[in-house]
Amino acid sequence: KNQVEQSPQSLIILEGKNCTLQCNYTVSPFSNLRWYKQDTGRGPVSLTIMTFSENTKSNGRYTATLDADTKQSSLHITASQLSDSASYICVVTLSGGSYIPTFGRGTSLIVHP
Amino acid sequence: DTGVSQDPRHKITKRGQNVTFRCDPISEHNRLYWYRQTLGQGPEFLTYFQNEAQLEKSRLLSDRFSAERPKGSFSTLEIQRTEQGDSAMYLCASSVNRRSNSENTIYFGEGSWLTVV
Repeated sequence: KNQVEQSPQSLIILEGKNCTLQCNYTVSPFSNLRWYKQDTGRGPVSLTIMTFSENTKSNGRYTATLDADTKQSSLHITASQLSDSASYICVVTLSGGSYIPTFGRGTSLIVHP
Repeated sequence: DTGVSQDPRHKITKRGQNVTFRCDPISEHNRLYWYRQTLGQGPEFLTYFQNEAQLEKSRLLSDRFSAERPKGSFSTLEIQRTEQGDSAMYLCASSVNRRSNSENTIYFGEGSWLTVV
């Protein structure tokens, strides 16, 4: 069972609308959580990174939230654009030891004009 | 140095052949990772290096796979006797190991696509 679960698996929205993607994780002890955007056929690009002490982090129209108690994170995209069509991947890294990041399977977002 | 560089970007090979991918990380990044990604899935960890030392390997890394980072800079991932199931994108990433882990952003390359026919 994947220790980082993302939902929904895929999402289709109209240009200009807002959307929220979810990430639940079970890995522990937690060090940080990142959201990546991956365009088709390209490598992932970092959007935000948060430690357990941070509740929210923004990067332009992207806002990530983190609840370390419930082990949930969300990525909110405001005023979506066609270029937002991509896969959004949640990545959780453990503290101590190897720091190997654990990836979710991603949410595929399609923005239609 | 503008980012993590991978070569080749695409490789088509016949089953049973050997292939090698190269990764050049961002300068001064002491950590280098290899991941494999198939369509519709997130990247799966294969192995990582800190400097020239290979510190961890996933059980996904069968004995047909070998990775090296001889001088602590670029790395190679070799797949011997390729199988159709090896078809995937192989992603390389690098990061710098800071005392505070909050800024350990991992930067990915654009990936090397492997198709085994």
